[in-house]
Parts: sequence; structure tokens; C-alpha cells
Amino acid sequence: DVKVTQSSRYLVKRTGEKVFLECVQDMDHENMFWYRQDPGLGLRLIYFSYDVKMKEKGDIPEGYSVSREKKERFSLILESASTNQTSMYLCASSSLTGFSNQPQHFGDGTRLSIL
Amino acid sequence: SQELEQSPQSLIVQEGKNLTINCTSSKTLYGLYWYKQKYGEGLIFLMMLQKGGEEKSHEKITAKLDEKKQQSSLHITASQPSHAGIYLCGAAPGGQNFVFGPGTRLSVLP
Repeated sequence: DVKVTQSSRYLVKRTGEKVFLECVQDMDHENMFWYRQDPGLGLRLIYFSYDVKMKEKGDIPEGYSVSREKKERFSLILESASTNQTSMYLCASSSLTGFSNQPQHFGDGTRLSIL
Repeated sequence: SQELEQSPQSLIVQEGKNLTINCTSSKTLYGLYWYKQKYGEGLIFLMMLQKGGEEKSHEKITAKLDEKKQQSSLHITASQPSHAGIYLCGAAPGGQNFVFGPGTRLSVLP
């Protein structure tokens, strides 16, 4: 079974802090994704990566950056956290065989609160 | 506007009842995924439909893809409390960016 592990289930940070969310997958997947999920807005793609050191902006990249130094790890960085970044963050991975025809497998999510 | 619409938005059924959730696209669907999410958790992959007319089943959940209607339906037979959660469809409408539907929240009353 695919295992996608997010470093924290719950996280509380303060405005202005630099926040790191970590995600690790164990299936040697090429693609990795970061989403945020908000009531009424659904899942929105922040960034994705299709290879080590490669990244692409999703629908809402502003205020975020990512890092993919190793194939199995994809980090989401909030450069200077703001209260409007309070959300549920979900990481996913999928294999390369076509961007849209292999299922994404998700971690358990990180519920981030910015005070 | 949403490229994938889901109906109903929420659903409350009595245990043992059948139910259907729909996912409709504004563009051609070349394949579609169904996921389930328990509150506060990640998404669990249920099934993938890759071509029009395809129908798949997993335990008491059946999904099919109607290419002509640009729609997929997910049907649960004899619902149980364990079926409760949020069901989301995901696809790349028109072969473009992959998106998720807004989700359908299902409650099953014992």
C-alpha cells in the first residue's frame, strides 16, 4: 500500500513565523502535490512537483514555496505565516504515467492554525 | 465557477437505504476518480473510471462514468454508518488541469 506521511496532524504557529510542512512518500512516486482545503472552497492546489528539484505553481501559490531535494520528500514552506493561511493542508503523490491518469494518494492532512 | 459540480451537497440517509451521488463536468471527461474523506483526515482513493460506460464496484459502492452526459454517479447500496464521510470526485475536465469537486457530505443514521 502507498504510504504518504505528513509530519504533523495539528500545528499552531504565530503570525510572521516561517512554517515548514513536511511530506514523505514510500512508493517512489515521481509526482507530489500540496493542497489546502477550506470549507466552501474545496481542495485547491498550491504547488506540485514532477521530479526532484522541479516545481510548478498550482492555483494558489502566493505566500508559499516548496522544496523537493529528494524524490520521497516534498516540503511546503509558509515564508511569513498569516492568519488567512489557517487551513487543512493535504499532501499527495502519484506515479508518473500521465499526470491525470494515475490516482493521487493522500496523507492524513495537517490542520494548521495561525494565531 | 466549479469545473466539477457535485450533487447533492449533503445527504442524510437512514442505515440500510440506497443513495446516489453525482459528479458533473462542464467539459469532456477522459477519466474520473472517486475519493472518500473522513472528517479531519486525508482522502482515501476509492476507484478510478477510465472510459465512458465503465462501471466499477468495491464492496457496496458502485460508480460509473457516462461520457455523453459528462457525468459520473456513485451509488451506495444498503448504506452503513461506516459509509459516512465526504465523497469527492476528481478529474481533468477537457484534458486540462486536474481538479476536485466540492464534495458531498454523507451522514448515515443508525
